Amino acid sequence: GAVVSQHPSRVICKSGTSVKIECRSLDFQATTMFWYRQFPKQSLMLMATSNEGSKATYEQGVEKDKFLINHASLTLSTLTVTSAHPEDSSFYICSAHGLAGSISYNEQFFGPGTRLTVL
Amino acid sequence: AQKVTQAQTEISVVEKEDVTLDCVYETRDTTYYLFWYKQPPSGELVFLIRRNSFDEQNEISGRYSWNFQKSTSSFNFTITASQVVDSAVYFCALSEAQGVDSNYQLIWGAGTKLIIKP
Repeated sequence: GAVVSQHPSRVICKSGTSVKIECRSLDFQATTMFWYRQFPKQSLMLMATSNEGSKATYEQGVEKDKFLINHASLTLSTLTVTSAHPEDSSFYICSAHGLAGSISYNEQFFGPGTRLTVL
Repeated sequence: AQKVTQAQTEISVVEKEDVTLDCVYETRDTTYYLFWYKQPPSGELVFLIRRNSFDEQNEISGRYSWNFQKSTSSFNFTITASQVVDSAVYFCALSEAQGVDSNYQLIWGAGTKLIIKP
C-alpha cells in the first residue's frame, strides 16, 4: 500500500512554456501533499505544502505565481511551472501523507520524481 | 529549532567493507520520528526505516543496522559487507509529530554520498 505516482518522469521544454506535473496517491487518500525541488548534489528543498481543497502554503523564497499548486482531490495534486526558464531545471519530487480507511499514515510517501529540463 | 546534520559529504569504501553513515539531530520535541532514505542514481527515494523517539532499540535488517542514541541525539546507519548496489546518496530526516493534525513535515539532512568500489 501507500503508493504515489508522478507524471511525467522526465520532461524537456522550451523556455517560456508551462509544464504541469501530476502527483497521485494510488491507494490512499492524500490529505496533505508536499512538493520538493532537488538540485544536483543537494538535499530536498520543500517548496510547498498543500491540503486538499485549500490553498497551498509556500516556503519562503518560493514564488507562488511561478509554481502553481492545485490539490483539488484527495488523490491528485498538480504542480505547474509557469513560463519556465533554464534556472527552473531541476528534479521535482512530490510526497503525500494521509489516510487509508481509518488508518492514518504518520509519514510521507514519495513519488518517483520528475526531471525537468528547460532549454 | 529542528536540524539534521550529516557531516559526511561523501564516503568511499571497497566492496565488502563495513561502513557507517552518521546522523545527528536537534529537536525540542519529546515525540518525533527519524527516517533514513536511499536515493540511487535514478532519483527515486527508497524508504529504509522509521524510528519513533520512544523506541531506542537498535534495528537490524539484513546487512543494514541502525543505532539510535537519544543521549547523543544520533541515529547512525551501518551497512555490513557493503556491495556495489549500495552506492547511492543516503538521507537522514526528522519529523516532529504534533498530534492528529500534524502533516509530518520532514527536516532533511544534506545527505551522504556513498561510493562502493568493486
